[in-house]
Amino acid sequence: GESVGLHLPTLSVQEGDNSIINCAYSNSASDYFIWYKQESGKGPQFIIDIRSNMDKRQGQRVTVLLNKTVKHLSLQIAATQPGDSAVYFCAEKGTGKLIFGQGTTLQVKP
Amino acid sequence: DADVTQTPRNRITKTGKRIMLECSQTKGHDRMYWYRQDPGLGLRLIYYSFDVKDINKGEISDGYSVSRQAQAKFSLSLESAIPNQTALYFCATSRGPTDTQYFGPGTRLTVL
Repeated sequence: GESVGLHLPTLSVQEGDNSIINCAYSNSASDYFIWYKQESGKGPQFIIDIRSNMDKRQGQRVTVLLNKTVKHLSLQIAATQPGDSAVYFCAEKGTGKLIFGQGTTLQVKP
Repeated sequence: DADVTQTPRNRITKTGKRIMLECSQTKGHDRMYWYRQDPGLGLRLIYYSFDVKDINKGEISDGYSVSRQAQAKFSLSLESAIPNQTALYFCATSRGPTDTQYFGPGTRLTVL
Protein backbone atom coordinates (compact mmCIF):
# COMPACT_ATOMS: atom_id res chain seq x y z
CA GLY A 1 0.00 0.00 0.00
CA GLU A 2 0.93 3.64 -0.02
CA SER A 3 2.98 5.02 2.82
CA VAL A 4 4.95 8.07 3.73
CA GLY A 5 7.77 8.05 6.24
CA LEU A 6 10.14 10.53 7.80
CA HIS A 7 13.74 9.63 8.53
CA LEU A 8 14.04 11.11 12.01
CA PRO A 9 11.38 11.64 14.67
CA THR A 10 13.34 14.52 16.23
CA LEU A 11 15.80 17.06 14.87
CA SER A 12 17.65 19.50 17.08
CA VAL A 13 19.39 22.52 15.53
CA GLN A 14 21.07 25.67 16.72
CA GLU A 15 19.26 28.95 16.18
CA GLY A 16 20.53 30.52 12.98
CA ASP A 17 21.59 27.24 11.40
CA ASN A 18 19.82 25.68 8.46
CA SER A 19 17.46 22.74 9.06
CA ILE A 20 16.81 19.85 6.74
CA ILE A 21 13.84 17.56 7.33
CA ASN A 22 13.54 14.47 5.19
CA CYS A 23 10.68 12.34 3.96
CA ALA A 24 10.50 9.15 1.93
CA TYR A 25 7.45 8.09 -0.03
CA SER A 26 6.49 4.78 -1.57
CA ASN A 27 4.19 5.55 -4.48
CA SER A 28 6.24 6.40 -7.54
CA ALA A 29 3.08 7.61 -9.29
CA SER A 30 2.49 10.38 -6.75
CA ASP A 31 2.52 13.78 -8.40
CA TYR A 32 1.81 16.18 -5.55
CA PHE A 33 3.48 16.67 -2.17
CA ILE A 34 2.87 19.06 0.71
CA TRP A 35 4.75 20.06 3.84
CA TYR A 36 2.79 21.02 6.96
CA LYS A 37 3.91 22.63 10.20
CA GLN A 38 2.12 21.89 13.46
CA GLU A 39 2.84 24.05 16.47
CA SER A 40 1.96 22.90 19.94
CA GLY A 41 -1.78 23.12 20.56
CA LYS A 42 -2.64 23.97 16.98
CA GLY A 43 -3.71 22.22 13.82
CA PRO A 44 -1.30 21.54 10.94
CA GLN A 45 -0.63 24.56 8.73
CA PHE A 46 0.33 24.46 5.07
CA ILE A 47 3.94 25.52 4.43
CA ILE A 48 4.76 24.69 0.84
CA ASP A 49 3.87 22.21 -1.86
CA ILE A 50 5.52 20.81 -4.97
CA ARG A 51 4.34 18.92 -8.01
CA SER A 52 6.27 16.08 -9.56
CA ASN A 53 7.18 18.09 -12.65
CA MET A 54 9.46 20.17 -10.43
CA ASP A 55 12.66 19.33 -8.53
CA LYS A 56 12.74 22.38 -6.31
CA ARG A 57 10.43 25.06 -5.05
CA GLN A 58 11.24 27.97 -2.82
CA GLY A 59 9.17 29.95 -0.39
CA GLN A 60 10.03 32.41 2.30
CA ARG A 61 13.03 30.84 4.11
CA VAL A 62 11.84 27.38 3.04
CA THR A 63 12.81 25.20 0.11
CA VAL A 64 11.36 21.86 -0.85
CA LEU A 65 13.44 19.43 -2.89
CA LEU A 66 11.97 16.46 -4.69
CA ASN A 67 14.06 13.52 -5.87
CA LYS A 68 11.77 11.23 -7.79
CA THR A 69 14.54 8.76 -8.56
CA VAL A 70 14.86 7.73 -4.93
CA LYS A 71 11.36 8.86 -3.91
CA HIS A 72 12.67 11.37 -1.42
CA LEU A 73 11.37 14.76 -0.35
CA SER A 74 13.09 17.28 1.88
CA LEU A 75 12.22 20.56 3.53
CA GLN A 76 15.01 23.03 4.10
CA ILE A 77 14.56 25.91 6.51
CA ALA A 78 17.11 28.68 6.30
CA ALA A 79 18.36 30.51 9.37
CA THR A 80 16.19 28.52 11.75
CA GLN A 81 14.42 30.60 14.37
CA PRO A 82 12.79 29.68 17.69
CA GLY A 83 9.39 30.15 16.04
CA ASP A 84 10.22 27.29 13.70
CA SER A 85 10.02 24.83 16.58
CA ALA A 86 7.16 22.52 15.67
CA VAL A 87 6.31 19.13 14.22
CA TYR A 88 6.69 18.95 10.46
CA PHE A 89 4.68 16.54 8.32
CA CYS A 90 5.04 15.63 4.70
CA ALA A 91 1.98 14.49 2.78
CA GLU A 92 1.68 12.66 -0.51
CA LYS A 93 -1.17 12.59 -2.97
CA GLY A 94 -2.76 9.18 -2.62
CA THR A 95 -5.82 7.59 -4.14
CA GLY A 96 -8.42 10.33 -3.72
CA LYS A 97 -6.84 11.72 -0.56
CA LEU A 98 -3.60 12.85 1.03
CA ILE A 99 -1.39 10.42 2.94
CA PHE A 100 0.50 11.93 5.86
CA GLY A 101 3.83 10.91 7.32
CA GLN A 102 4.35 10.57 11.06
CA GLY A 103 6.11 13.87 11.62
CA THR A 104 9.52 15.18 12.65
CA THR A 105 9.81 17.36 15.73
CA LEU A 106 12.16 20.30 15.12
CA GLN A 107 13.76 21.68 18.26
CA VAL A 108 15.61 24.98 18.00
CA LYS A 109 18.32 25.58 20.57
CA PRO A 110 19.06 29.21 21.54
CA ASP B 1 -12.17 34.79 12.06
CA ALA B 2 -10.82 31.28 11.62
CA ASP B 3 -11.75 29.54 8.39
CA VAL B 4 -12.16 26.14 10.05
CA THR B 5 -13.55 25.96 13.57
CA GLN B 6 -14.07 23.02 15.88
CA THR B 7 -16.18 22.66 19.00
CA PRO B 8 -15.55 21.78 21.71
CA ARG B 9 -11.79 22.41 21.98
CA ASN B 10 -11.47 20.12 24.97
CA ARG B 11 -13.74 17.39 26.26
CA ILE B 12 -13.48 14.88 29.06
CA THR B 13 -16.07 12.12 29.10
CA LYS B 14 -16.68 8.68 30.50
CA THR B 15 -16.66 5.27 28.87
CA GLY B 16 -19.96 4.49 27.16
CA LYS B 17 -21.05 8.09 26.64
CA ARG B 18 -22.10 9.43 23.27
CA ILE B 19 -19.96 12.32 22.08
CA MET B 20 -20.31 14.65 19.12
CA LEU B 21 -17.52 16.82 17.77
CA GLU B 22 -18.49 19.59 15.39
CA CYS B 23 -16.68 21.27 12.57
CA SER B 24 -17.65 24.37 10.59
CA GLN B 25 -15.87 26.06 7.71
CA THR B 26 -16.21 29.32 5.86
CA LYS B 27 -13.82 28.46 3.02
CA GLY B 28 -16.59 27.27 0.73
CA HIS B 29 -14.87 23.94 0.19
CA ASP B 30 -16.88 20.89 -0.75
CA ARG B 31 -14.53 18.37 0.80
CA MET B 32 -14.23 17.83 4.54
CA TYR B 33 -12.23 15.35 6.60
CA TRP B 34 -11.93 14.05 10.13
CA TYR B 35 -8.53 12.90 11.41
CA ARG B 36 -7.29 11.46 14.62
CA GLN B 37 -3.80 12.22 15.93
CA ASP B 38 -1.99 10.07 18.48
CA PRO B 39 1.59 10.52 19.64
CA GLY B 40 3.99 8.83 17.24
CA LEU B 41 1.27 7.84 14.78
CA GLY B 42 0.76 11.00 12.79
CA LEU B 43 -2.62 11.86 11.29
CA ARG B 44 -5.00 9.01 10.53
CA LEU B 45 -8.09 9.54 8.44
CA ILE B 46 -11.39 8.57 10.07
CA TYR B 47 -14.00 9.73 7.54
CA TYR B 48 -14.16 12.10 4.60
CA SER B 49 -16.92 13.71 2.60
CA PHE B 50 -16.77 15.01 -0.95
CA ASP B 51 -20.11 16.76 -0.70
CA VAL B 52 -23.30 16.73 1.35
CA LYS B 53 -24.47 13.46 -0.18
CA ASP B 54 -21.13 11.68 -0.14
CA ILE B 55 -19.55 10.06 2.94
CA ASN B 56 -16.54 7.76 2.83
CA LYS B 57 -14.76 5.68 5.44
CA GLY B 58 -11.12 6.34 6.12
CA GLU B 59 -8.56 3.95 7.54
CA ILE B 60 -9.91 3.91 11.13
CA SER B 61 -13.69 4.41 10.93
CA ASP B 62 -14.71 1.69 13.39
CA GLY B 63 -16.39 3.17 16.47
CA TYR B 64 -17.09 6.48 14.72
CA SER B 65 -19.87 7.91 12.60
CA VAL B 66 -20.26 11.23 10.78
CA SER B 67 -22.93 13.55 9.50
CA ARG B 68 -22.59 16.18 6.80
CA GLN B 69 -25.42 18.52 7.65
CA ALA B 70 -24.49 21.17 5.10
CA GLN B 71 -21.58 22.12 2.91
CA ALA B 72 -20.11 24.04 5.81
CA LYS B 73 -20.73 21.53 8.62
CA PHE B 74 -19.30 18.08 9.27
CA SER B 75 -19.74 16.39 12.64
CA LEU B 76 -18.05 13.33 14.11
CA SER B 77 -19.80 11.10 16.64
CA LEU B 78 -18.56 8.48 19.02
CA GLU B 79 -21.65 6.42 19.79
CA SER B 80 -20.16 4.76 22.85
CA ALA B 81 -16.81 6.24 23.77
CA ILE B 82 -13.98 3.99 24.96
CA PRO B 83 -10.63 4.96 26.52
CA ASN B 84 -8.55 4.14 23.44
CA GLN B 85 -10.44 6.87 21.60
CA THR B 86 -8.60 9.38 23.75
CA ALA B 87 -6.78 11.49 21.17
CA LEU B 88 -6.55 14.80 19.38
CA TYR B 89 -9.16 15.15 16.63
CA PHE B 90 -8.81 17.43 13.65
CA CYS B 91 -11.24 18.53 10.99
CA ALA B 92 -9.91 19.64 7.62
CA THR B 93 -11.29 20.98 4.35
CA SER B 94 -10.05 21.09 0.79
CA ARG B 95 -11.23 22.28 -2.58
CA GLY B 96 -10.37 19.02 -4.31
CA PRO B 97 -9.50 15.50 -3.10
CA THR B 98 -5.76 16.06 -3.28
CA ASP B 99 -5.59 19.82 -2.94
CA THR B 100 -4.09 21.45 0.11
CA GLN B 101 -6.06 20.64 3.22
CA TYR B 102 -6.78 23.35 5.76
CA PHE B 103 -7.05 22.22 9.35
CA GLY B 104 -9.07 23.35 12.32
CA PRO B 105 -7.48 23.93 15.73
CA GLY B 106 -8.34 20.47 17.01
CA THR B 107 -10.40 18.92 19.79
CA ARG B 108 -8.63 17.17 22.64
CA LEU B 109 -10.84 14.29 23.75
CA THR B 110 -10.22 12.28 26.91
CA VAL B 111 -12.28 9.19 27.62
CA LEU B 112 -12.01 7.97 31.20
